[in-house]
Amino acid sequence: GAVVSQHPSRVICKSGTSVKIECRSLDFQATTMFWYRQFPKKSLMLMATSNEGSKATYEQGVEKDKFLINHASLTLSTLTVTSAHPEDSSFYICSATRSTDTQYFGPGTRLTVL
Amino acid sequence: DAKTTQPPSMDCAEGRAANLPCNHSTISGNEYVYWYRQIHSQGPQYIIHGLKNNETNEMASLIITEDRKSSTLILPHATLRDTAVYYCIVRGLNAGGTSYGKLTFGQGTILTVHP
Repeated sequence: GAVVSQHPSRVICKSGTSVKIECRSLDFQATTMFWYRQFPKKSLMLMATSNEGSKATYEQGVEKDKFLINHASLTLSTLTVTSAHPEDSSFYICSATRSTDTQYFGPGTRLTVL
Repeated sequence: DAKTTQPPSMDCAEGRAANLPCNHSTISGNEYVYWYRQIHSQGPQYIIHGLKNNETNEMASLIITEDRKSSTLILPHATLRDTAVYYCIVRGLNAGGTSYGKLTFGQGTILTVHP
């Protein structure tokens, strides 16, 4: 299967700071990447869909100015959580796909905001 | 995309087959059935997917009923490392009909494999 990586795997930051999470497709070119968030004991919730070279499409209720997504190349997408607050603490997971192909997921990033 | 219904939890003895059911009674003709699993604190792992025919790969088998309203994921010889949350997801074409879009995760089935 295809390999997707995320960096960092875990991050702790102070309230009010911004945090950037990287998602990379290592062995294929990803035309579309997705960002999910998962709270403890809950299922994954889609935050946004990102196509290379275009603006991300955000799900209802997700603030685009708070969760900045950049998909600058076919192998890299970044999610920046701006002015993070404790309620943003969560498990952030990306996935990547080649158009109609299967989605492959990264290992996730655990964000803790103090 | 059609909704799915899965039992919240199941147990299985190590070495035995684990049969995980999924109901998707409102599935439409161009929608695929996907299975993923998530081991604690990791990203979901793709297992298998199918449209109409039964499918098998190195991880599992997928049995889809003839009317496509339900399916069963079979792990032929479960091991302790198969303990995870298993998600059955129906995935269809996007609004424009040009590509298969997002996955909508339900609560899944917590499979516990015990010695």
